Amino acid sequence: QSALTQPPSASGSPGQSVTISCAGTSSDIGGYDYVSWYQHHPGKAPKLIIYEVTKRPSGVPARFSGSKSGNAASLTVSGLQAEDEADYYCSSYAGGINFAVFGAGTRVTVL
Amino acid sequence: QLQLQESGAGLLRPSQTLSLTCTVSGGPITSGGYSWSWIRQPRGEGLEWVGYIYQSGTTYYNPSLKSRVILSIDKSNNQMALKLTSATAADTGVYYCVRVNLHMGRALDIWGQGTMVTVSS
Repeated sequence: QSALTQPPSASGSPGQSVTISCAGTSSDIGGYDYVSWYQHHPGKAPKLIIYEVTKRPSGVPARFSGSKSGNAASLTVSGLQAEDEADYYCSSYAGGINFAVFGAGTRVTVL
Repeated sequence: QLQLQESGAGLLRPSQTLSLTCTVSGGPITSGGYSWSWIRQPRGEGLEWVGYIYQSGTTYYNPSLKSRVILSIDKSNNQMALKLTSATAADTGVYYCVRVNLHMGRALDIWGQGTMVTVSS
């Protein structure tokens, strides 16, 4: 059982937006601004797309945005494109020896 | 551009020791501001961190694996190693070598391609 809770699936048509939620606790998401999101195309290496809740690494399109409220975070993909079809994982620093906790992943389907 | 490459035995018998090596190319493993980690993904499941190691050698392990895991850094060969003793079928999955960026809120900013490990009799 994953420490963070994500919906198993989400979908949208090309050009639409999809938002993925990630629920945690005050010991992880709520306690630190160290939420990150990863995009994973099966068979490939996961890719960092959001770090420190809202920041995008160089090269990641502005269509990807992150936010946080209380013990929950979310990732929004605007202007969906076919290549956005992938699994998305949230993660949060959880302090001390726990280092990182992950969600179980959300499969995004572009209809 | 920094690249990570995992290597090691892909098939183990139960109770054997899982041994993997991560070779870092394109930059020194001793660069400041980073630590190194192993993340695994059991088949059909989500991501799970195994442990991470600082350049100093200080290690932190997933509490659920702590009694069986050893991480180490070989600075002369620019490598990180993972040993997981008493392997069981539950250890089957893809293992990723990952760089932890301490300047980016401990985000996992560079990943290896991953290596599949199967534990089966």
